[in-house]
Amino acid sequence: DTGVSQDPRHKITKRGQNVTFRCDPISEHNRLYWYRQTLGQGPEFLTYFQNEAQLEKSRLLSDRFSAERPKGSFSTLEIQRTEQGDSAMYLCASSTADRHSSTEQYFGPGTRLTVT
Amino acid sequence: AQSVTQPDIHITVSEGASLELRCNYSYGATPYLFWYVQSPGQGLQLLLKYFSGDTLVQGIKGFEAEFKRSQSSFNLRKPSVHWSDAAEYFCAVARLFGGYNKLIFGAGTRLAVHP
Repeated sequence: DTGVSQDPRHKITKRGQNVTFRCDPISEHNRLYWYRQTLGQGPEFLTYFQNEAQLEKSRLLSDRFSAERPKGSFSTLEIQRTEQGDSAMYLCASSTADRHSSTEQYFGPGTRLTVT
Repeated sequence: AQSVTQPDIHITVSEGASLELRCNYSYGATPYLFWYVQSPGQGLQLLLKYFSGDTLVQGIKGFEAEFKRSQSSFNLRKPSVHWSDAAEYFCAVARLFGGYNKLIFGAGTRLAVHP
């Protein structure tokens, strides 16, 4: 399967713990996006990478959140000192760089985080 | 600011009936518009997209959508719904910013299908 994959699919953690999620994009895609989706809402943009460079961060991404894409391939999203409000589905998407096709983002299955 | 409104939070239709899901957007230029579907516990799958040209676009699974600039709408339609269409549907607009495209989503419409 050559789609976007995310690991883990589910994560339950206690408040105050750190968690890290991984996203593997489609191999030829150089753009990678993270979104957060809370219950009953549409996904909200968090951050964007082109190759290894993080080019945009949403104001939703507090200083407890950090994302990396060290070699321009897979990406990680870390949340430090988790809070109950961090409970959400974290979605990763990837796309190519063509002017039009870059707008077609392919989504992974998501990581559902529950903070207790 | 760019935004997407999906006025219907929840819609129920009978199998075989027609379907229309509404989407209105606010955007300062010609938008790129999308409809995605999300089944329980799954990621988002692209149903169709509009960039330019013919305002009636065809997508997968028998869905179509019509772009109406005068109404700032991009409604999704299907002539005959199948039970497997039960899912959540999201309308999105792509904002071209800084050389890339950030998707702005509506809150979604949850579709239930009665047998």
